[in-house]
Amino acid sequence: KQEVTQIPAALSVPEGENLVLNCSFTDSAIYNLQWFRQDPGKGLTSLLLIQSSQREQTSGRLNASLDKSSGRSTLYIAASQPGDSATYLCAVPSGGAGNMLTFGGGTRLMVKP
Amino acid sequence: GAVVSQHPSWVICKSGTSVKIECRSLDFQATTMFWYRQFPKQSLMLMATSNEGSKATYEQGVEKDKFLINHASLTLSTLTVTSAHPEDSSFYICSATGTGLNTQYFGPGTRLTVL
Repeated sequence: KQEVTQIPAALSVPEGENLVLNCSFTDSAIYNLQWFRQDPGKGLTSLLLIQSSQREQTSGRLNASLDKSSGRSTLYIAASQPGDSATYLCAVPSGGAGNMLTFGGGTRLMVKP
Repeated sequence: GAVVSQHPSWVICKSGTSVKIECRSLDFQATTMFWYRQFPKQSLMLMATSNEGSKATYEQGVEKDKFLINHASLTLSTLTVTSAHPEDSSFYICSATGTGLNTQYFGPGTRLTVL
């Protein structure tokens, strides 16, 4: 059974810092890996999706990497801003892309002005 | 991009009543829809998977007679919490995927509070 773990569970940084969020998964036979953002009381916003054949994806100040063999992914946020404060979740599908997602526990990020 | 809506966004009900939550795919045909539950400061836990026209597949520990799921069309799935109790209070999120899509698209969630 796939298990997804995120470290740290919570993170507080001053504005402007670069930071790294970690995600690990136990079964490396994944189809893709996705990072989401969730604001309090809201649904999920997809940030980046990395296919199993890719090593990284970039969107603005966000960069996600994937190392399937070691079962790890990182989300790098450059020059953090208070508006980045949210919970960040990584998730992998079981089997194909349309299958159920297994989520990590999330990292609650607070960026202080 | 693909859009999924949920209705209502929040609901408060008395213990013992039933509550229906709708999940709609607005611009694509959702062959598969998923229902997740999220307790405060916890991650999303899958409750069930439903394919259009078929009975839902429930995850272990989820009572199918309590959480009724109907996926009668390619754009609508409903989750009915029957005889709701305070411990059912949670944030319920649906997602949907369809042919040609490489991921699931999530609804904005429904906050259920049972008094």
